[in-house]
Amino acid sequence: GAVVSQHPSWVICKSGTSVKIECRSLDFQATTMFWYRQFPKQSLMLMATSNEGSKATYEQGVEKDKFLINHASLTLSTLTVTSAHPEDSSFYICSAPIPGEGFTDTQYFGPGTRLTVL
Amino acid sequence: AQRVTQPEKLLSVFKGAPVELKCNYSYSGSPELFWYVQYSRQRLQLLLRHISRESIKGFTADLNKGETSFHLKKPFAQEEDSAMYYCALSDGGATNKLIFGTGTLLAVQP
Repeated sequence: GAVVSQHPSWVICKSGTSVKIECRSLDFQATTMFWYRQFPKQSLMLMATSNEGSKATYEQGVEKDKFLINHASLTLSTLTVTSAHPEDSSFYICSAPIPGEGFTDTQYFGPGTRLTVL
Repeated sequence: AQRVTQPEKLLSVFKGAPVELKCNYSYSGSPELFWYVQYSRQRLQLLLRHISRESIKGFTADLNKGETSFHLKKPFAQEEDSAMYYCALSDGGATNKLIFGTGTLLAVQP
C-alpha cells in the first residue's frame, strides 16, 4: 500500500532556531501534499497545501513566512518552521493523496513529527 | 462555513455492546464524508468513506443529508476497536482538502 514517511519523528530545538520537517511519498508520486498541525487532544488543523513546482496555498490564519513550504519533487515536500518559539511546539502531520473511489482522493498520512521548542 | 462536529470526546462501551460515534456536518455543497481511525501509536488511516457504502471491520456509516449526519456504527464492539476516530469532510474533489472533526476516543472495555 501507499506509504508516506516523515523525518524526523521528533525534534527538540531552542527558541529562535529553524527546523525543517520532510514528508516523502515512498512508492507513489504526489503533485500535492497537505500539512496539518495537531495540538494535544485536539483535531488536525489544515495548515497548507503543498504544490509541486509552485507556491504553497496557506489556510487562513497561517503565517506563510513562519511556515515555509517547499515541494521540490513529486515525492518530497518540506515544512520549515522559521524562528521557532515555544508556541510552535506541536505535532505536525503531512498527507499525500492518491486517486480512489469518489471525487476526493484518498489521503495517506505520515506518522507525524513532534516538535518541541524550548 | 464548513464544519464537522463530533459531540463526544470519549465513548466507553463494553465488549459486545453496540457502538455509535456521532458526526454532524455543515456544508453548502455536496461534500464527501469520511471516517479516519488512529490506533495507539499508529498513523491516521482511512476507515471508510460514504461513497463506498461498504462495511469495514464491521463498521458502517450512512450519510443522512436531511440531518447532515454521518454517524459511525458497529453492532458489537471489540477490544481492538479501541482507537481515536475522526470524522472528516471534503469539498467533493475540488481541492482534496479535508476538514476534520475533533475526534472521539472509543474505549472498549473487556
